[in-house]
Amino acid sequence: GIQVEQSPPDLILQEGANSTLRCNFSDSVNNLQWFHQNPWGQLINLFYIPSGTKQNGRLSATTVATERYSLLYISSSQTTDSGVYFCATTDSWGKFQFGAGTQVVVTP
Amino acid sequence: DTEVTQTPKHLVMGMTNKKSLKCEQHMGHRAMYWYKQKAKKPPELMFVYSYEKLSINESVPSRFSPECPNSSLLNLHLHALQPEDSALYLCASSLVAGFTDTQYFGPGTRLTVL
Repeated sequence: GIQVEQSPPDLILQEGANSTLRCNFSDSVNNLQWFHQNPWGQLINLFYIPSGTKQNGRLSATTVATERYSLLYISSSQTTDSGVYFCATTDSWGKFQFGAGTQVVVTP
Repeated sequence: DTEVTQTPKHLVMGMTNKKSLKCEQHMGHRAMYWYKQKAKKPPELMFVYSYEKLSINESVPSRFSPECPNSSLLNLHLHALQPEDSALYLCASSLVAGFTDTQYFGPGTRLTVL
């Protein structure tokens, strides 16, 4: 099946800082999604982005499908951005799977 | 209303018990999902229902039995679970199945099997 790798595994940010999270995938994909899971376990779908760039407030994402990676940008980070960020995709067998995640801690 | 509700929030059960997890959405979504998430791990897909029919079963042991009685409700029946089944169980829904649509997740049920 497809390999989905996220980096970095952990990230500590000062409030107000910008950051970039990366998701590499080993095969071509026809969908790519980003999720945020807050410290209480609530999972929220941030972006469906199989290719191109999307923005939603302080968050934006870019997927370069031909080079098999996607980036999630967090600008002017806030403490509420803390949690785990997952990318997820479907492999050629139709199996939907998440990457291991990036744990983000934003300190005041 | 973009809410998916799950009950109970917490559940403790013995290995001989039978219990059920419940998930509900009123967004008119026709796809519903069960995921299992162990601590410090990503969610793992268990089941997908599309138009109230089971469309994906990710080789889940038969001690987990899903049921979709109508388009708004999804149940997960639990029987003879093992301690390693302790996890956060997440329900999600989307307009259609196929993982090309936004999934809305419930808050989860934290299950402990003693």
